[in-house]
Amino acid sequence: EAGVVQSPRYKIIEKKQPVAFWCNPISGHNTLYWYLQNLGQGPELLIRYENEEAVDDSQLPKDRFSAERLKGVDSTLKIQPAELGDSAVYLCASSLGAAGPTGELFFGEGSRLTVL
Amino acid sequence: SQKIEQNSEALNIQEGKTATLTCNYTNYSPAYLQWYRQDPGRGPVFLLLIRENEKEKRKERLKVTFDTTLKQSLFHITASQPADSATYLCALPTDSWGKFQFGAGTQVVVTP
Repeated sequence: EAGVVQSPRYKIIEKKQPVAFWCNPISGHNTLYWYLQNLGQGPELLIRYENEEAVDDSQLPKDRFSAERLKGVDSTLKIQPAELGDSAVYLCASSLGAAGPTGELFFGEGSRLTVL
Repeated sequence: SQKIEQNSEALNIQEGKTATLTCNYTNYSPAYLQWYRQDPGRGPVFLLLIRENEKEKRKERLKVTFDTTLKQSLFHITASQPADSATYLCALPTDSWGKFQFGAGTQVVVTP
């Protein structure tokens, strides 16, 4: 079974440019997460979806970040305009959520963003 | 505010020895705690979950303990191997619906 798929793996842009990341979760996983991870730090939650509904976006900088999960499957995270401080790894994860026995998160490989 | 602390310094150990990592938390009363492994350039991978009513959990060479009084979990890698070299993260649920907060992780380096 395929795991969580993210693209692109790497992206280099100049500041003020837009960027978008795509995530395809594991089939049947209703819960989808976007995390941000800085070097030497643990993942920090940006937004969590239950199906197509964003149930927790309190840590998403809404002035420049946006996300969507159309039809409750794939998700896109967008940054516009990007700032130097946005350089980080953006991780997508999916899970069975509260319905799962362990709440285990399945992570993708991440999208590494470098803003110049 | 809720806080999770893991050893920030890398743990360097010799092959065959036991590595012990700590995860301390404050202002939480988690029903369970998770441990993940993260290799460089990869996403975290789930290893173990331990519930509040479990004192100890084992999986192959891994052992996790959970002391809700001390607000601490210990993660042990016994008979360590160079392939165990990675960063290990603990994660706690912050609600009942699948929201998790992660520690910063501890890097383990196992030398032959």
